[in-house]
Amino acid sequence: QKEVEQDPGPLSVPEGAIVSLNCTYSNSAFQYFMWYRQYSRKGPELLMYTYSSGNKEDGRFTAQVDKSSKYISLFIRDSQPSDSATYLCATHTSNTGKLIFGQGTTLQVKP
Amino acid sequence: DAGVIQSPRHEVTEMGQEVTLRCKPISGHDYLFWYRQTMMRGLELLIYFNNNVPIDDSGMPEDRFSAKMPNASFSTLKIQPSEPRDSAVYFCASSPRQGGNYGYTFGSGTRLTVV
Repeated sequence: QKEVEQDPGPLSVPEGAIVSLNCTYSNSAFQYFMWYRQYSRKGPELLMYTYSSGNKEDGRFTAQVDKSSKYISLFIRDSQPSDSATYLCATHTSNTGKLIFGQGTTLQVKP
Repeated sequence: DAGVIQSPRHEVTEMGQEVTLRCKPISGHDYLFWYRQTMMRGLELLIYFNNNVPIDDSGMPEDRFSAKMPNASFSTLKIQPSEPRDSAVYFCASSPRQGGNYGYTFGSGTRLTVV
């Protein structure tokens, strides 16, 4: 079993839709949770960061962590064609910088 | 700031040849990471350095892979001999501190094809 599981999709939605992306993880020692966005033929870039459980909002993006169920979510409101990319969840424990990534979910937002 | 710089962008080589990938991290970043990305396995951490010292190389697939960081501004990942299953995109990333809140800045990657 992988430490971080993520449905690779692809996920296709119409412009303006609310998008929900999810990951599950197995190690309860994970405390730091991130979402990265990767455009085609580019490196991943940090989109959102959260520590422990709770919500964090940044514009149209909301990251949510539920440590009790080991579940990580990213919500995108009013999705735009420019949001079309692969979204990767990532996590690590408090005593290492070793980032563990999910498989990535490919999102396409159609105009 | 030019970001993390990787070279070459593309590499096509024959099985059995030696391949060297290069990375220049962001100045002042103490941590450097080498990742490999494939469709099947996603992003996998191969090795990471702190202040030029290898900290965790447990992700290096086998002895054919080696990585060095002779100074704070340069790192190499070498594969010898290369095999078709090594075909992947190899990313280098750097970070000023340990911990995801600082963000890892990734390079644009080297797309390696071994034929």
